[in-house]
Amino acid sequence: QSVLTQPPSVSGAPGQRVIISCTGSSSNIGVPGYDVHWYQQLPGTAPKVLIYGNTNRPSGVPDRFSGSKSGTSASLAITGLQAEDEADYYCQSYDSSLSCWVFGGGTKLTVL
Amino acid sequence: QITLKESGPTLVKPTQTLTLTCTFSGFSLSTGGVGVGWIRQPPGKALEWLALIYWDDDKRYSPSLKSRLTITKDTSKNQVVLTMTNMDPVDTATYYCARQQQLSLFDYWGQGTLVTVSS
Repeated sequence: QSVLTQPPSVSGAPGQRVIISCTGSSSNIGVPGYDVHWYQQLPGTAPKVLIYGNTNRPSGVPDRFSGSKSGTSASLAITGLQAEDEADYYCQSYDSSLSCWVFGGGTKLTVL
Repeated sequence: QITLKESGPTLVKPTQTLTLTCTFSGFSLSTGGVGVGWIRQPPGKALEWLALIYWDDDKRYSPSLKSRLTITKDTSKNQVVLTMTNMDPVDTATYYCARQQQLSLFDYWGQGTLVTVSS
């Protein structure tokens, strides 16, 4: 079981908006200053940074992707869904109780 | 341009020791704040952080695997080596190395190498 909890799957039609949640605890996401990062993993490829520091997009990532953090949870929102967004998405943070970096269980996004 | 690439055996037998090498370019592991870590992903499953080594040789390990892991660096060769002892079929996974520079973010990843544990 992953320390950070994500829904196994989400889906949406092209053009729609989907939200992927990442639920943690007071020893990881809930710690002030502990950032949440999001990675996109296209089939057969390595993960790529999608959102870093809770809300920041690397250059080249469309502004259709946005991140937020509140309390012990974080969310990734994708608007204007496109077929190319079909991928697995992972959240990641640091856990002070475990003293290690932790990932969510991953969410498979299907574009209908 | 920052690149990382993993290398090592594709097949190991149960109980054997796995040695993986991460060869990187475009940054230096002697620069303050920089680290290189290892993350693995069993087929069809989630990412799992394994180990990380910092520029100052500070080493961190996954609590659940600490007794089996060793991470070292060779700054002159731009390489980081991970060894994992007593391999088991459940350790079958794609192993990635990745750079960490700030905010606990793994910002650049290698392409990964699939390691199968089977007799």
